[in-house]
Amino acid sequence: EVQLVESGGGLVQPGGSLRLSCGASGFTFSSYDMTWVRQAPGKGLEWVSYISSSASVTYIADSVKGRFTVSRDNAKNLVYLQMKSLRAEDTALYYCARLTGDTVTHDYWGQGTLVTVSS
Amino acid sequence: DIQMTQSPSSVSASVGDRVTMTCRPGQHISSWLAWYQQKPGKAPKLLISGASSLQSGVPSRFSGSGSGTDFTLTITNLQPEDVATYYCQQAKSFPLTFGGGTKVEIK
Repeated sequence: EVQLVESGGGLVQPGGSLRLSCGASGFTFSSYDMTWVRQAPGKGLEWVSYISSSASVTYIADSVKGRFTVSRDNAKNLVYLQMKSLRAEDTALYYCARLTGDTVTHDYWGQGTLVTVSS
Repeated sequence: DIQMTQSPSSVSASVGDRVTMTCRPGQHISSWLAWYQQKPGKAPKLLISGASSLQSGVPSRFSGSGSGTDFTLTITNLQPEDVATYYCQQAKSFPLTFGGGTKVEIK
């Protein structure tokens, strides 16, 4: 069974940093591209980042470019989202999701980890 | 960036009704479109990829159609468990973008 479990969220002050982790199981992690998608309270879905299966290609949304970086450790089946210079508008539930290679769609999602940026 | 416009933003229908919602990308995306269902308090679930390919396990009352700049998600015989917000997502290019969602409620 495919499972994605996010962790690392919490309350952080504006300007602070957090590193989110997503642990994967139930599939060959190193064969799949992964993404992070966030959802602000009561709002829609916003794609945040992409990392290819080998980590050779990454993309970051303009709204977080220069502040967020994505990485992965295929030996540990983990994908990370390093977030710095956090702002109130980064407050959201952050999901990691597996990306299908052929249709570029998110076929499995984690349960999300909540990041709250507030003083 | 490819902007995705969904309509209506919400719809209220009776059990057994047919519900239709649309998604219009700001540029031609061929069939690079997915639909997701998000129930309250839950993660999104992939329903349809490639504009019309139903994911395994998704009830056949869900169907997707369209290509280019005009897509439709249809729910025939609406059921209480279909109460959710439905999102489209273009898969043509990065940044991947989602529509604003259509909330489906039962009358």
